[in-house]
Amino acid sequence: DAKTTQPPSMDCAEGRAANLPCNHSTISGNEYVYWYRQIHSQGPQYIIHGLKNNETNEMASLIITEDRKSSTLILPHATLRDTAVYYCIVRALPIPNSGGSNYKLTFGKGTLLTVNP
Amino acid sequence: EAQVTQNPRYLITVTGKKLTVTCSQNMNHEYMSWYRQDPGLGLRQIYYSMNVEVTDKGDVPEGYKVSRKEKRNFPLILESPSPNQTSLYFCASSHREGRYTGELFFGEGSRLTVL
Repeated sequence: DAKTTQPPSMDCAEGRAANLPCNHSTISGNEYVYWYRQIHSQGPQYIIHGLKNNETNEMASLIITEDRKSSTLILPHATLRDTAVYYCIVRALPIPNSGGSNYKLTFGKGTLLTVNP
Repeated sequence: EAQVTQNPRYLITVTGKKLTVTCSQNMNHEYMSWYRQDPGLGLRQIYYSMNVEVTDKGDVPEGYKVSRKEKRNFPLILESPSPNQTSLYFCASSHREGRYTGELFFGEGSRLTVL
């Protein structure tokens, strides 16, 4: 899986958009960008993923640059409950019948987003 | 509600006293996995299972056992716990292959302290 680089921490004011960057300059053509978050000591929670097109769901938007070497997760209206560690993970979909190790997610250190009142 | 349920959520035990952390999912997922999370070391995979009766070691399997006798359950067994197994444990599950999207569903975590 490609290596990712994220800032260790960011702050955001409540109600404002939170833009979390991720660099993945060694991403391969078949690798997706996934975002998860972990609210203090809770289980990680899937947010969104994409290959090359921008994606949006009820939680967030994912903007991937045209060269796919970086991406930004956008929380459009951050709330206090969005305070969490956000993980950017780059990985390919598992190859059928290739074994379970391909299903493992490798979490880096992530970005601690603190939403302030 | 789709969920992964772990029990117990909190446990304090003593060295050598066998314990089991249960994990159950209600999403008919084929793939299940255990992770441990430690400060500075992040999340590390302990064991995983691709289906009933199919299990394999992850990155840090020493001191742990698992079993997968039913599709929905994947218990983590510590036969003789030691203090270095004090950690926060997470169970996770997902579909495989044809229905796989990359989304891994995690339980709420089990905080284990071994004295």
